[in-house]
Amino acid sequence: ETGVTQSPTHLIKTRGQQVTLRCSSQSGHNTVSWYQQALGQGPQFIFQYYREEENGRGNFPPRFSGLQFPNYSSELNVNALELDDSALYLCASSFSQMELFFGEGSRLTVL
Amino acid sequence: GIQVEQSPPDLILQEGANSTLRCNFSDSVNNLQWFHQNPWGQLINLFYIPSGTKQNGRLSATTVATERYSLLYISSSQTTDSGVYFCAVSPPDNQGGKLIFGQGTELSVKP
Repeated sequence: ETGVTQSPTHLIKTRGQQVTLRCSSQSGHNTVSWYQQALGQGPQFIFQYYREEENGRGNFPPRFSGLQFPNYSSELNVNALELDDSALYLCASSFSQMELFFGEGSRLTVL
Repeated sequence: GIQVEQSPPDLILQEGANSTLRCNFSDSVNNLQWFHQNPWGQLINLFYIPSGTKQNGRLSATTVATERYSLLYISSSQTTDSGVYFCAVSPPDNQGGKLIFGQGTELSVKP
């Protein structure tokens, strides 16, 4: 059984750029959610995708967007990067919104 | 929205000691999970425990949903137990499988 995998693991961008982060779900899972974790804080829910549609969103602006593909993998896109977007971005998958399993995360630095 | 409070915020133990971490939540929940975040940032599932008691080796957890708290017990601690422990809950309306995290308990186990 393959776990949740994320890419890239680390990346550096400059303010105003755009970034795409990728996530492959654990096999058998149909739901993907994304979280942002700032240094020293608990993860914050960004949004969730189920059946390729956004199904729940946290308090994040529209420049945070996503996609879910037919194979249940997902992308998180962030436009017009700001310094405060520097964080660890975590992807989680689950079956029908039950127990969540997380990937290792993508650490984004915005300069 | 629902509030999650964890205590203590920091804990230092000698190897071999036992500890209890607490998670209080302000409303009914339909999902509660405990995670251990390793130094590389990955959230490792410890327990999916919306109610009742579970044990896994040296770790055990109890959730008393009617009194809105959960406890994580670590017995005979080892240096590899060091890291941050998070409690996370889903609100009753389960908005798209959203998990709300506490601020975490940072555990340091000294040899």
